[in-house]
Amino acid sequence: GAVVSQHPSRVICKSGTSVKIECRSLDFQATTMFWYRQFPKKSLMLMATSNEGSKATYEQGVEKDKFLINHASLTLSTLTVTSAHPEDSSFYICSARPTGYYGYTFGSGTRLTVV
Amino acid sequence: QQQVKQSPQSLIVQKGGISIINCAYENTAFDYFPWYQQFPGKGPALLIAIRPDVSEKKEGRFTISFNKSAKQFSLHIMDSQPGDSATYFCAAYTNAGKSTFGDGTTLTVKP
Repeated sequence: GAVVSQHPSRVICKSGTSVKIECRSLDFQATTMFWYRQFPKKSLMLMATSNEGSKATYEQGVEKDKFLINHASLTLSTLTVTSAHPEDSSFYICSARPTGYYGYTFGSGTRLTVV
Repeated sequence: QQQVKQSPQSLIVQKGGISIINCAYENTAFDYFPWYQQFPGKGPALLIAIRPDVSEKKEGRFTISFNKSAKQFSLHIMDSQPGDSATYFCAAYTNAGKSTFGDGTTLTVKP
């Protein structure tokens, strides 16, 4: 149990376009999901907390208008990278914790390459 | 973000040996301390975790030791295997779910 599915696993887009990444909790409901960014050989950095039915909470230094988060249902959160530029290229990962579950489960990540 | 310091940055261990990775934290509001294993191109996978009211937790070959007064915790991998070669991250969470990760340790287990 406690599976988080993330799509797509890889995406290449042109500079200036927008890309949407989906994070789904497959066998549990998640009122809160977390989005992370990871650079090659680096640690995970929390970008934002996605809250079902309300606005996301962004960490300091993360551009809200660049990284749009929508958590419209208890099983789906989306991260849209708007007007993507090469510096947005990174590995994006979501995470959630089922109610009553001890740990946080991560999705398999999305490798975004902006060309 | 509050800092979690992880060491060493890289570690090479012979098959069958013990791998030890250490982390230190600053914020006493953290109340959940997991260790994650990550393979290239994959998301982190939870290995083992501990809460501050416990000093040690063991699951199979993996053990967490936790020292609340020193604000330190460590991961011990017994009988290390080549399949354990991966990057390991410690993390610390508040009860609201906000997390801070260590910088990671690249473990190589030589056959």
